[in-house]
Amino acid sequence: SQTIHQWPATLVQPVGSPLSLECTVEGTSNPNLYWYRQAAGRGLQLLFYSVGIGQISSEVPQNLSASRPQDRQFILSSKKLLLSDSGFYLCAWSLGQETQYFGPGTRLLVL
Amino acid sequence: GNSVTQMEGPVTLSEEAFLTINCTYTATGYPSLFWYVQYPGEGLQLLLKATKADDKGSNKGFEATYRKETTSFHLEKGSVQVSDSAVYFCALTPYSSASKIIFGSGTRLSIRP
Repeated sequence: SQTIHQWPATLVQPVGSPLSLECTVEGTSNPNLYWYRQAAGRGLQLLFYSVGIGQISSEVPQNLSASRPQDRQFILSSKKLLLSDSGFYLCAWSLGQETQYFGPGTRLLVL
Repeated sequence: GNSVTQMEGPVTLSEEAFLTINCTYTATGYPSLFWYVQYPGEGLQLLLKATKADDKGSNKGFEATYRKETTSFHLEKGSVQVSDSAVYFCALTPYSSASKIIFGSGTRLSIRP
């Protein structure tokens, strides 16, 4: 069966520091991969999605970037974190246009 | 454009009460509709889905019917339990771009013993 992992589970970082969140999927090949952010008390916002290695689409202009170095690995990065980057980051996968399945999330607090 | 509107929370009910969480949508064509649930401290889990008009999605005692005439996908459960306490998200994937999910803002549900 397919599983999706995210780490770290929780992260506290100072403003201006770099960021790297990792997401990996097991048990499937060539998935679509997604990064979402959930700000406190709000819904989910799609940040990036990828349909293949090295293919990244950005949904909103922001301080973050994404990369897909391997088929089942999706990384969310920032060179310098802002206070507004705090939130709950969720990775998801799907096969083509089918249902998306979410990881456990990473809670990021920028101080 | 495409959007999802769901009732604002928090919703607080007693155990065994009847639950309805309203969800309406705006979309062109025939979107697929979903309910996701987020338990405290966890990521999202797909609860149920419906892909065409008049379809009923069901899971864990929850049901929702895809109503094209009213552009709605209300979530219902006949008898809620304390373990149902969570945040519930209504969502759609547009027919033209089914790899993108558009979420509602979420409804927090709390069940009192």
